[in-house]
Amino acid sequence: DTGVSQDPRHKITKRGQNVTFRCDPISEHNRLYWYRQTLGQGPEFLTYFQNEAQLEKSRLLSDRFSAERPKGSFSTLEIQRTEQGDSAMYLCASSFEINTDTQYFGPGTRLTVL
Amino acid sequence: LAKTTQPISMDSYEGQEVNITCSHNNIATNDYITWYQQFPSQGPRFIIQGYKTKVTNEVASLFIPADRKSSTLSLPRVSLSDTAVYYCLVGDNGNAGNMLTFGGGTRLMVKP
Repeated sequence: DTGVSQDPRHKITKRGQNVTFRCDPISEHNRLYWYRQTLGQGPEFLTYFQNEAQLEKSRLLSDRFSAERPKGSFSTLEIQRTEQGDSAMYLCASSFEINTDTQYFGPGTRLTVL
Repeated sequence: LAKTTQPISMDSYEGQEVNITCSHNNIATNDYITWYQQFPSQGPRFIIQGYKTKVTNEVASLFIPADRKSSTLSLPRVSLSDTAVYYCLVGDNGNAGNMLTFGGGTRLMVKP
């Protein structure tokens, strides 16, 4: 197993455009999390899936953000009508709920909105 | 969620042992203590996790006193490649979903 993967690693877009990021968790991990990290800050929780169900959403996740995990495996995070304030690193993590539920993070997708 | 307090930054030299202490006065009975390491432009990397006493793995040791209101991450014989941000987190891993709350972390600079 190669760990959590994210695609793309970098995305540059113009304000107002839509973008979609993909996360492939560690196989057999049933929990998947999205975080956002801006420069100099720690990651901030955005949303959480257990299998295909989205069970928790942060107030940071405005109406322009939507996340899916249709088959309980990979997940997508879409941002519509991007704004410059959306520029950040978007991190995905996965975990297996049994025992200590340790989260393992992917490399992140760096979004730059011009 | 329990709040954590850790030093903003630390400096060390190659070959030295580094100890980073984290305060979590409001830690709950079910909370675990987890440390992550993060390099620039990379996702956080899990280092170590513990509940009480001492935990050791191939990378680090975690010391937790009996009252669990603090914890110390110990990195033996650091090298330049250990320069990174280290985050201390506490949370109840057994609940339905564990939305990690990261603070600002400790920026460790290892000098030659």
